[in-house]
Amino acid sequence: DTEVTQTPKHLVMGMTNKKSLKCEQHMGHRAMYWYKQKAKKPPELMFVYSYEKLSINESVPSRFSPECPNSSLLNLHLHALQPEDSALYLCASSQETTGGGGVSNQPQHFGDGTRLSIL
Amino acid sequence: GEDVEQSLFLSVREGDSSVINCTYTDSSSTYLYWYKQEPGAGLQLLTYIFSNMDMKQDQRLTVLLNKKDKHLSLRIADTQTGDSAIYFCAETGFQKLVFGTGTRLLVSP
Repeated sequence: DTEVTQTPKHLVMGMTNKKSLKCEQHMGHRAMYWYKQKAKKPPELMFVYSYEKLSINESVPSRFSPECPNSSLLNLHLHALQPEDSALYLCASSQETTGGGGVSNQPQHFGDGTRLSIL
Repeated sequence: GEDVEQSLFLSVREGDSSVINCTYTDSSSTYLYWYKQEPGAGLQLLTYIFSNMDMKQDQRLTVLLNKKDKHLSLRIADTQTGDSAIYFCAETGFQKLVFGTGTRLLVSP
């Protein structure tokens, strides 16, 4: 069982819809991440939050909007997505060792992901 | 660029040993990781090795690190059908975790 919980497991939405992906961890980790994974490819980093502040945005389109309401929760708000945004979206967390400046080198623990399909 | 290379596919028989190889790029990586991904699931952290180590053993898993050649390997002893999955190595590159291309391991009875 994963210690990082993602909801929903599956999401189908139209290009005009607004939806949110949610991620929760209770390991006391202060770094949280969003990744996008296309089929048969490795995960690609999207965002990094460190101590609830956005520290890295990998040039992600503004139709993806992350939010970190507290140290245990991470959301990804979706609006006006395109069919090419269909993918598995993975959340991860880790201990924070950079002081807020980058990606921690501590092991990242992943959730099972949300499989997103854009019609 | 950052290219962490893995062979695409490995097929073994149940009970055999499996060796999955990875060539990484950043000699300053502090940790190197192995993740397992089963169909429809997220990534499961299997094991990791600190860069000043040559070898780490954890039950059926053995990780070997050759820093000179930037080569990392994962050996799975007594491979089981439940080990069938995609295996990703990863290095702590500049400001992010860099994943390898992934190796699909197929274990046949």
